[in-house]
Amino acid sequence: EVQLLESGGGLVQPGGSLRLSCAASRFAFSSFSMTWVRQAPGKGLEWVSSISDKSDTIYYADSVKGRFTTSRDNPKNTLYLQMNSLRAEDTAVYYCAKGGLITIKDYWGQGTLVIVSS
Amino acid sequence: QPALTQPPSASGSPGQSVTISCTGTSSDVGGYKSVSWYQQHPGKAPKLIIYDVGMRPSGVPDRFSGSKSGDTASLTVSGLQAEDEADYYCSSYAGSNTLVFGGGTKLTVL
Repeated sequence: EVQLLESGGGLVQPGGSLRLSCAASRFAFSSFSMTWVRQAPGKGLEWVSSISDKSDTIYYADSVKGRFTTSRDNPKNTLYLQMNSLRAEDTAVYYCAKGGLITIKDYWGQGTLVIVSS
Repeated sequence: QPALTQPPSASGSPGQSVTISCTGTSSDVGGYKSVSWYQQHPGKAPKLIIYDVGMRPSGVPDRFSGSKSGDTASLTVSGLQAEDEADYYCSSYAGSNTLVFGGGTKLTVL
């Protein structure tokens, strides 16, 4: 079965940076768009970013535009989320999902927790 | 403030049916077929249960069904079972290369 494993979360100070990774396996990673979704503690889901299979189109939510960068390494079957200028409101569990902006997001990782606090 | 409006809670007894609404606008739910529903148990990742308004991924029981009328999508859970107790989220493509979610509905099986 499809596996998605996020890593890289942790505690970071406001204004700091963090890079999340999502290791994919058991599917043709290079053929699928991928998406990041986050969930603040006790809150609902929020779309963060989606990237096409060949990285030619990358989209961001307004809340992270200019601060977050999504990329992927297809030979390594890995999706990344570079997060800069982090704010307290970025505190959340970050999930990666197989699927893009319009295509179905049928598999999700278990998530990685990012806490932005001094 | 979530872009799509869901009732915060819903409930039903085992065996009953319950419907959860997801109200948006003509710019999201009403304008596209890319409406999905996710089930999330506490501490777990979301699980896709409905896509493209009314399509079920393989492995999802046919007790789960989806529909749309105008700017409102609906998820119906028939024959409620204890394991259906979870949070449910709708999502929709919203044009201009954005995706929006509802605020979530906590379903309680009485």
